[in-house]
Amino acid sequence: AQSVTQPDIHITVSEGASLELRCNYSYGATPYLFWYVQSPGQGLQLLLKYFSGDTLVQGIKGFEAEFKRSQSSFNLRKPSVHWSDAAEYFCAVDPILTGGGNKLTFGTGTQLKVEL
Amino acid sequence: EAQVTQNPRYLITVTGKKLTVTCSQNMNHEYMSWYRQDPGLGLRQIYYSMNVEVTDKGDVPEGYKVSRKEKRNFPLILESPSPNQTSLYFCASSLSRFQYNEQFFGPGTRLTVL
Repeated sequence: AQSVTQPDIHITVSEGASLELRCNYSYGATPYLFWYVQSPGQGLQLLLKYFSGDTLVQGIKGFEAEFKRSQSSFNLRKPSVHWSDAAEYFCAVDPILTGGGNKLTFGTGTQLKVEL
Repeated sequence: EAQVTQNPRYLITVTGKKLTVTCSQNMNHEYMSWYRQDPGLGLRQIYYSMNVEVTDKGDVPEGYKVSRKEKRNFPLILESPSPNQTSLYFCASSLSRFQYNEQFFGPGTRLTVL
């Protein structure tokens, strides 16, 4: 079955430390890949996306993600975390359906806590 | 300001009492969709609409209805709400159905069905 897995439900990092959030997908072909962030009480905001080309993509707020086809992964990284990065992060995929589109399938999310 | 708005933001209701959650976007987007967010399950798509008068089921459509009579509005209707529809609901829109168009999300509606 097609799926998106975020294995870490909660992650705690110290401010200034590096961050990596994991995402694995299971689809027949490489889907379109996205990372969204949800701050408390807010809707979702797109951080970055991968469609094709360079496997390292840059996003907003200093985030980047690397697509690894061999591992079916799309991990999100940030070199130095700020306290304002505390939020829930969702990996999402779009399986490139024909006839219908923009159908995002979300992972279950990773809650990031930042210790000062 | 370009945005997706939802009303109400919070709603507590009782089983069986029909309700409508409104969604409106001011970006002239063709594509709109509804998601529900539940702990441990992420977001799941309920219904989507590729344009006016064109709607289709998502992954969890049971117990919900939608309509798209105008491009800017995409209301979610619960004809007879049940407690298992207690959830956080998000409306989203994008320029078109193509995946490269970013989806913009509303602020969410927290629904409690007693």
